[in-house]
Amino acid sequence: EAGVAQSPRYKIIEKRQSVAFWCNPISGHATLYWYQQILGQGPKLLIQFQNNGVVDDSQLPKDRFSAERLKGVDSTLKIQPAKLEDSAVYLCASSLGRGPFFGPGTRLTVL
Amino acid sequence: DAKTTQPNSMESNEEEPVHLPCNHSTISGTDYIHWYRQLPSQGPEYVIHGLTSNVNNRMASLAIAEDRKSSTLILHRATLRDAAVYYCILRIGIQGAQKLVFGQGTRLTINP
Repeated sequence: EAGVAQSPRYKIIEKRQSVAFWCNPISGHATLYWYQQILGQGPKLLIQFQNNGVVDDSQLPKDRFSAERLKGVDSTLKIQPAKLEDSAVYLCASSLGRGPFFGPGTRLTVL
Repeated sequence: DAKTTQPNSMESNEEEPVHLPCNHSTISGTDYIHWYRQLPSQGPEYVIHGLTSNVNNRMASLAIAEDRKSSTLILHRATLRDAAVYYCILRIGIQGAQKLVFGQGTRLTINP
């Protein structure tokens, strides 16, 4: 069974630039999560989708972060404009009952 | 959100058992206890989960206190590959809207 795929794996941008991350969950998984993990901390939930509807986005900084889930499958997380404090690993996860199962993450560095 | 408390770090020796403790005194009746581990530069990896009864799988065992306010992850025979950050997490919420709220985790070091 293929795992959760994320791209790119690494991204370096300057502050005030825009960036987008892509996630392809495990086939058939209805629930998709985006987490932010700052160095030395545990992951923090940014947004949770059930199929293509948002279940929880209470911790998403909506003035600069946005996310969508196309047709209840793939998802994109965007940051516009980026700040220095957005430097982190962005983890995508998916679940169907058990799990969730995490992808390898995208490491973002904002200079 | 429901929270868990874990020691920041623990150390053990290779081929010995490891007991990783977790306190979750504010757990509610429907919250599942999950354990994940994270190796360097990787996403968290599912280890085990349970609700009330002790659980065993090929990776580990989970012992849950009778009052459910604490639990222990048991690695029966640690190897160097078990060195990781271990997260004890409560899965909260209703069906279809459940989420994991991570804490700081325990950094486990395995000595050869």
